[in-house]
Amino acid sequence: AQSVTQPDIHITVSEGASLELRCNYSYGATPYLFWYVQSPGQGLQLLLKYFSGDTLVQGIKGFEAEFKRSQSSFNLRKPSVHWSDAAEYFCAVGAMRGGNKLTFGTGTQLKVEL
Amino acid sequence: DTGVSQDPRHKITKRGQNVTFRCDPISEHNRLYWYRQTLGQGPEFLTYFQNEAQLEKSRLLSDRFSAERPKGSFSTLEIQRTEQGDSAMYLCASSLDQDEQFFGPGTRLTVL
Repeated sequence: AQSVTQPDIHITVSEGASLELRCNYSYGATPYLFWYVQSPGQGLQLLLKYFSGDTLVQGIKGFEAEFKRSQSSFNLRKPSVHWSDAAEYFCAVGAMRGGNKLTFGTGTQLKVEL
Repeated sequence: DTGVSQDPRHKITKRGQNVTFRCDPISEHNRLYWYRQTLGQGPEFLTYFQNEAQLEKSRLLSDRFSAERPKGSFSTLEIQRTEQGDSAMYLCASSLDQDEQFFGPGTRLTVL
C-alpha cells in the first residue's frame, strides 16, 4: 500500500527566507508525486508534479521539488518565501499519472513572519 | 469553464438525517473523484468514476454512503443516517484520463 509522511506539522519562516518542506513516500513501483497547497476556504491547488524524467521539477509560484529515489523523498523548496505563501501544503503519491487515487500526507502548516 | 464546482459549500444537519452533495467537474474531464478530509488530516480517497462507471471504492465508504454519476457528467454523494463522525470536508476532483486532478472548493458537513 502506498503512504506519505510529512514529518513537520508546523513550520514558521521569516519572509524572504528559504523554505524546505519534507515529504517521504512508500510505494512499490515508480511513484507519481505531487505537491498541493490549500489556503483557508480554498480547494487544493496543484503546485507541481513528478511523473518521470528530470528529478528536479519546477512548479508555480516559484516552487520546486526534487525527487530522490534512494531516499524515497520529494521535498518542496522555495528560495525566498512571501507572506502570501502561508497555507497548508500537502504531498501526495499517485498510483499512476494522477489516475486512480491519490494518497496524501497529513500536511505541513506554513506560517510566514513579516 | 472555471473549474470544479461543489454544492452546497456548507451543510449542517442533525444526526440521523440524509444529506446529498453535488459535484460538477471540468466539462471535458472523464474521471471524477471523491475524497474526505477531517481536521488536521490530508484528504482520504473515497471513490472514483470513469465516465458513469464507478471503478473503485475505499473501505472508508460504508454502506451508508452512495455515489453516482449517472450521465458521466456531474456526480452526487449521498450519506444516509448521518453520524457525528461523518463531519468533514468532502472534496471532489476531476481529471482527463490519468492526468493531474483538479479539486473543487469542497463541501463542509457538520453533523450535530
